[in-house]
Amino acid sequence: DTEVTQTPKHLVMGMTNKKSLKCEQHMGHRAMYWYKQKAKKPPELMFVYSYEKLSINESVPSRFSPECPNSSLLNLHLHALQPEDSALYLCASSQLDGAGNIQYFGAGTRLSVL
Amino acid sequence: EDQVTQSPEALRLQEGESSSLNCSYTVSGLRGLFWYRQDPGKGPEFLFTLYSAGEEKEKERLKATLTKKESFLHITAPKPEDSATYLCAVQAGANTDKLIFGTGTRLQVFP
Repeated sequence: DTEVTQTPKHLVMGMTNKKSLKCEQHMGHRAMYWYKQKAKKPPELMFVYSYEKLSINESVPSRFSPECPNSSLLNLHLHALQPEDSALYLCASSQLDGAGNIQYFGAGTRLSVL
Repeated sequence: EDQVTQSPEALRLQEGESSSLNCSYTVSGLRGLFWYRQDPGKGPEFLFTLYSAGEEKEKERLKATLTKKESFLHITAPKPEDSATYLCAVQAGANTDKLIFGTGTRLQVFP
C-alpha cells in the first residue's frame, strides 16, 4: 500500500481566511513533503520534514506554515493568502534509506483564493 | 547547476503507434532518476526508479532506460488510457530529499 491521503480535495478561501490542509500516511515513512503545482508546470518543493523536524524550507512566504504533529501526519496552515497562491497542493512521503528515496504523492488539494 | 530537461513538450500518438519520451539531465552525482505519470488534477503516480547507467525497468507497455546523460520512456502500442503527463525527476548529490523535476511531456493517444 503506497497511499498518501490529503484532505480536503477542494478548498475555496478568501484572502482573510485561515484554513489548514491535511496529509496522512501509514507506510512508516519518515520524510514528508509539501509541493505547490501550478497548471502545466512541474511540482515545486515547499517544505520537507525528516523525522518530524523541518529540514528544508524553500524560502516560502510566512503565510504558509507547516506542522508535523507526528510521523504520520503533516499539516499546512494557510493565512492571508493571495490569489496567486491558487494552485494544486501536493503532499508526498518517502522512506529515508539513503539510496534513492521514492516519493509517493497524494491526490492533492485544489486551492482557490478569492 | 543541476538541470533536467524533457522532450518533446507534447506528443500526439495514434493508438498502437509506439514512441519514446526523453529526459536529459545535468547533475552532480546522480542518486536516482524517477518517472511519474500525472493525470489532470491528480497527484503524480510513481512508475519507475533507475539508479545506474544501463539499468532498464518495464511495466506493461512502458519501459524506462538510463544512460549517463539521459533516460528514455518507451511506450509500446499505446492505448488512449496512457494519455497523461509524464514527469521525470532526479535526486542528486548529498541531498536525497529533493527531487529536481523536468517540465514534463503531455502525451495524448487517440483511438
